[in-house]
Amino acid sequence: QQQVKQSPQSLIVQKGGISIINCAYENTAFDYFPWYQQFPGKGPALLIAIRPDVSEKKEGRFTISFNKSAKQFSLHIMDSQPGDSATYFCAASIGGATNKLIFGTGTLLAVQP
Amino acid sequence: EPEVTQTPSHQVTQMGQEVILRCVPISNHLYFYWYRQILGQKVEFLVSFYNNEISEKSEIFDDQFSVERPDGSNFTLKIRSTKLEDSAMYFCASSSSTDTQYFGPGTRLTVL
Repeated sequence: QQQVKQSPQSLIVQKGGISIINCAYENTAFDYFPWYQQFPGKGPALLIAIRPDVSEKKEGRFTISFNKSAKQFSLHIMDSQPGDSATYFCAASIGGATNKLIFGTGTLLAVQP
Repeated sequence: EPEVTQTPSHQVTQMGQEVILRCVPISNHLYFYWYRQILGQKVEFLVSFYNNEISEKSEIFDDQFSVERPDGSNFTLKIRSTKLEDSAMYFCASSSSTDTQYFGPGTRLTVL
């Protein structure tokens, strides 16, 4: 019940296309859902985060869509660029941003020029 | 922009040896964490630390692991007797009371 399931494992998108990564959870006590971006050899960096009282959050080209009833959330990257090529992790926590993060298994995104 | 720093970037050790991984969290942060990532796998929570004590730890964080904040700036993870399966990337993270967790660049631990 503490798991966060992420798909797809890998994704290839053409430059300018939309990248969509999905996550699902079981534990309804989760109340904070961040997405992290990780480049090779670097630590995860926060991209965008959402709380369950909001169905969508947009920051630049990155949008989180949140479906509380389905217990799913997704990351949309609009106008994908080669510089977006990285591994993306969804995560969830109970009790907000300061509590332990449960990470998904990651999605390796490759944006082809 | 403030950032979390970690040293060393790569540590190679023999099985059974003790290692200490060091982290300098962002200066005004109050919450500190260690996570690890085995090559090609997801990031896993190890331990969180607040107000000079462990606030939560995972099943991975057994008696071989300990954490310490020896002074006002450093946060360390000690593995007393390393095993082959401890080989992983270890990430330190910190957060303020209202913000998200910021991760350091990691220490790659290789146990031979």
